[in-house]
Amino acid sequence: GQQVMQIPQYQHVQEGEDFTTYCNSSTTLSNIQWYKQRPGGHPVFLIQLVKSGEVKKQKRLTFQFGEAKKNSSLHITATQTTDVGTYFCAGKGGATNKLIFGTGTLLAVQP
Amino acid sequence: DADVTQTPRNRITKTGKRIMLECSQTKGHDRMYWYRQDPGLGLRLIYYSFDVKDINKGEISDGYSVSRQAQAKFSLSLESAIPNQTALYFCATSLGGRTDTQYFGPGTRLTVL
Repeated sequence: GQQVMQIPQYQHVQEGEDFTTYCNSSTTLSNIQWYKQRPGGHPVFLIQLVKSGEVKKQKRLTFQFGEAKKNSSLHITATQTTDVGTYFCAGKGGATNKLIFGTGTLLAVQP
Repeated sequence: DADVTQTPRNRITKTGKRIMLECSQTKGHDRMYWYRQDPGLGLRLIYYSFDVKDINKGEISDGYSVSRQAQAKFSLSLESAIPNQTALYFCATSLGGRTDTQYFGPGTRLTVL
């Protein structure tokens, strides 16, 4: 079945450093979504990408969808302590009508 | 979202006990889901329902059952709990369509001793 993997599983950065998490699907995706889960909280929708090669920005966050629509990335510029949490990608693809979540990347930011 | 509620928020139980986790939503969404979260494994889909008469197994349905009592209510049961079902459980809803954004409840932390 369809699998969505994320790397790294965990990243620890100093405040002000950049951070990137990568999402890779075993199948072509119709869209990719990104969610953020704060410590002790629940996942919250951030953004959706639909088009091949699409790039979207939200302040210091940059989201990309690969040309082949099988991978995506989230880049945070100049991390802040408020960025801590787990970032999940999720995509629909193949024959399934379900959203498949990635394994998540836990980001820790040291002040 | 406050529009999706889960009860209980925390539960400790013993092996072999029957447990029910409940989810209610006021978003008016037809689609509801149950996920479990384990460290390093992300969010895995247990069951989902696209409307009141529709129930589908997810990737890890063994040992679980669900009931969709109404559009707003979707409950998850563990008929005979075992320790490896210790996890954080999330209910979610969505409107469907091309975006199908998931709105999650606050989660239920279940510990099976």
